[in-house]
Amino acid sequence: SQTIHQWPATLVQPVGSPLSLECTVEGTSNPNLYWYRQAAGRGLQLLFYSVGIGQISSEVPQNLSASRPQDRQFILSSKKLLLSDSGFYLCAWSHFRVGNSYGYTFGSGTRLTVV
Amino acid sequence: GQQVMQIPQYQHVQEGEDFTTYCNSSTTLSNIQWYKQRPGGHPVFLIQLVKSGEVKKQKRLTFQFGEAKKNSSLHITATQTTDVGTYFCAGQGTYKYIFGTGTRLKVLA
Repeated sequence: SQTIHQWPATLVQPVGSPLSLECTVEGTSNPNLYWYRQAAGRGLQLLFYSVGIGQISSEVPQNLSASRPQDRQFILSSKKLLLSDSGFYLCAWSHFRVGNSYGYTFGSGTRLTVV
Repeated sequence: GQQVMQIPQYQHVQEGEDFTTYCNSSTTLSNIQWYKQRPGGHPVFLIQLVKSGEVKKQKRLTFQFGEAKKNSSLHITATQTTDVGTYFCAGQGTYKYIFGTGTRLKVLA
């Protein structure tokens, strides 16, 4: 069965520090991968998605970046965190094919607090 | 760009009352999905609707896709405390789904 791992679960980082969040998927190949951010009590904001190794689409211009060095690995990074980067970061995977009815599978998320 | 709105934003109900959330898209959707996010948790996929006018049921939950495929609804009959959470709809875009703004449900025992 497919599983998605995301870590760490919580993170407190000072303003200006770097960030690296990792997400890995097991039990499937060539998944579409996504990074979402959710502010407290708010909706899901799509940050990046990837349909293949090395292919990254950015949805919102900001000081974050994403990389996909391997088929089932997706990394979210920042060189210098801002206070506004605080939030709940969610990784998700899906097979975006005609007839797919399984939707996104989300990781358990990382709660990032920038202080 | 494509936008998906949900109403209401918040809903408080007494346990046993019914609840409905509505989802509206600015464009025609090929399909729509629904997710539930428990407080402190991550969204979990509930169901996908594909056909115009489609109605699907999961126990006390009834999902409907509009005839014009631009709106959808989720109805919960006789809410329970376990129904607490935020319900999101999501409409299909290219390689991604556009999530609605969500409806946060609170059930008062």
